[in-house]
Amino acid sequence: AQKVTQAQTEISVVEKEDVTLDCVYETRDTTYYLFWYKQPPSGELVFLIRRNSFDEQNEISGRYSWNFQKSTSSFNFTITASQVVDSAVYFCALSGIETSGSRLTFGEGTQLTVNP
Amino acid sequence: SAVISQKPSRDICQRGTSLTIQCQVDSQVTMMFWYRQQPGQSLTLIATANQGSEATYESGFVIDKFPISRPNLTFSTLTVSNLSPEDSSIYLCSISGGPGTQYFGPGTRLLVL
Repeated sequence: AQKVTQAQTEISVVEKEDVTLDCVYETRDTTYYLFWYKQPPSGELVFLIRRNSFDEQNEISGRYSWNFQKSTSSFNFTITASQVVDSAVYFCALSGIETSGSRLTFGEGTQLTVNP
Repeated sequence: SAVISQKPSRDICQRGTSLTIQCQVDSQVTMMFWYRQQPGQSLTLIATANQGSEATYESGFVIDKFPISRPNLTFSTLTVSNLSPEDSSIYLCSISGGPGTQYFGPGTRLLVL
């Protein structure tokens, strides 16, 4: 069985602060993919990143960065110099290729509020 | 990536009625998925819909309550039958966009009175 845990239910920061969203996962698959999605108040789910289990290099995209550590089964997401437009619910998700094909298992989500 | 649209974007329904949600993709895709997101909750997979075969339902979801059609490679419908207030949710369709990856439609917000 797969499981994704996002321990932080809600985070509130002031604009320009850095913020890290935690994600811990469980899977028995050796080949799997990890994802982050953003869900703004409008409700659509926006794909942010995919990382496969064989690539532990950290990734940076503008103000966003991701830290994948297999040793701790974590895939954390950092927003640098946060902005009000970053306010959203962020979901971490996992897809274990061997046991679940393309089926995604989502964490419970972290509500991020960035205050001006 | 493909453009995914859903109709309706939102609806208010009376209990006991049914709502059919349409998902349209601007390119052909093999696998489509339907999710439910109850208020304040995460996403839960309802079923996987492949063209030309019966949908595969996840534990806790049954065809009588959530019938799905997949008539071609660009279109699918999800019907939520015999509505109750507990069905008030956002319903999202998604498509497979590479190994393990899914892209989501804008969602349908359903409120059942």
